[in-house]
Amino acid sequence: EIVMTQSPATLSVSPGERATLSCRASQSISKDVAWYQQKPGQAPRLLIHSTSTRATGIPVRFSGSGSGTEFTLTISSLQSEDSAVYYCQQSNNWPPWTFGQGTKVEIK
Amino acid sequence: QVQLVESGGGLVKPGGSLRLSCAASGFTFGDYYMSWIRQAPGKGLEWISYISGNSEIIYHADSVKGRFTISRDNTAKSLYLQMNNLRVEDTAVYYCVRGGYRYGDQWGQGSLVTVSS
Repeated sequence: EIVMTQSPATLSVSPGERATLSCRASQSISKDVAWYQQKPGQAPRLLIHSTSTRATGIPVRFSGSGSGTEFTLTISSLQSEDSAVYYCQQSNNWPPWTFGQGTKVEIK
Repeated sequence: QVQLVESGGGLVKPGGSLRLSCAASGFTFGDYYMSWIRQAPGKGLEWISYISGNSEIIYHADSVKGRFTISRDNTAKSLYLQMNNLRVEDTAVYYCVRGGYRYGDQWGQGSLVTVSS
């Protein structure tokens, strides 16, 4: 089973600044990574799939990159509504899907 | 618009059973893989089961294999999770998710299952 490790655990960023979240896979997973956003009391929402493809309705300030074992989610200009926990997920070695433990983004 | 609405959660004693249901609307249900993903209180996400559109492909995570069974009724546009021999560690919010091959693009609001004596 592939282990996904996210860093940092918590990220505190000022509004308008860039937020960079990392996700590392325990083995190469090509570009089979998705990112989800979860706000308190809500279900997760798909942001990005296939490393860099934004899901329907997702603002352009969210972007994804990477390949192999290293992946990044970037929020180019943080908005107050972006405060949430973000999870990465791999689907290369499937089943099962496996998720990272999450990165909490706080507004400074 | 796509909607997934879970029901059937609640409080159950260890060793008991529950059946979760998920009513789907807004898309051609039978065309999609469907999954169940759970989240223990304050914890991360754990994918536990998926089923193909025609029910020919089914998979369960090791943590629930032999105790949980996923099924679907395409005519009723519904997904199910039969949970038997429940354990305290099965306590979680259970999400019905569209997708099971690469990623989950639509999620229900979740159904809380609490296993406690």
